[in-house]
Amino acid sequence: AQSVTQPDIHITVSEGASLELRCNYSYGATPYLFWYVQSPGQGLQLLLKYFSGDTLVQGIKGFEAEFKRSQSSFNLRKPSVHWSDAAEYFCAVGGGFKTIFGAGTRLFVKA
Amino acid sequence: EPEVTQTPSHQVTQMGQEVILRCVPISNHLYFYWYRQILGQKVEFLVSFYNNEISEKSEIFDDQFSVERPDGSNFTLKIRSTKLEDSAMYFCASSGPSRLAASYEQYFGPGTRLTVT
Repeated sequence: AQSVTQPDIHITVSEGASLELRCNYSYGATPYLFWYVQSPGQGLQLLLKYFSGDTLVQGIKGFEAEFKRSQSSFNLRKPSVHWSDAAEYFCAVGGGFKTIFGAGTRLFVKA
Repeated sequence: EPEVTQTPSHQVTQMGQEVILRCVPISNHLYFYWYRQILGQKVEFLVSFYNNEISEKSEIFDDQFSVERPDGSNFTLKIRSTKLEDSAMYFCASSGPSRLAASYEQYFGPGTRLTVT
């Protein structure tokens, strides 16, 4: 069955610290992978996506993610977190005319 | 850049009433979708629509839900008799313009927040 697992329900980091949000997926075919960010009460903003090629993808707002097929992972990283990054982050997998979302990780940023 | 639009941004309705949520997909897209996000939970697939037919639907998409493409630009989700548990953010998405392109990525609208009282 297709699924996306985000093991961390919430994470707290200090402003300026580095960030890594974990994502593991289960998908029978070639996965197309996405990270979205959602502020409270708002819509989904696409941070980055991976279809093929270079396994390290760059996104908006200084985020990057690395696809590791052997680990079925697509972790999101940022070298230095800003207070404005506090939000909910969703990992998602597509490729079959349906996008399957993880449960999300809420990021808290402390001063 | 073309984008998916949704109206209204917020809809309040009483339990038992019918609601229609509207979406304008990207103009050359062929595949259309609805997703639902209950507050504090993940985004869940409801239904996909292609060539004026439902392609796939989830177990959430029961008989109270229907979708329609009434003209060349709109895509609607109707909930016939709303229940309190239908309160959620509803996202429309579209993909295309070819089957290959559609299989890669869906483009999401900003969502309609439905509140059932």
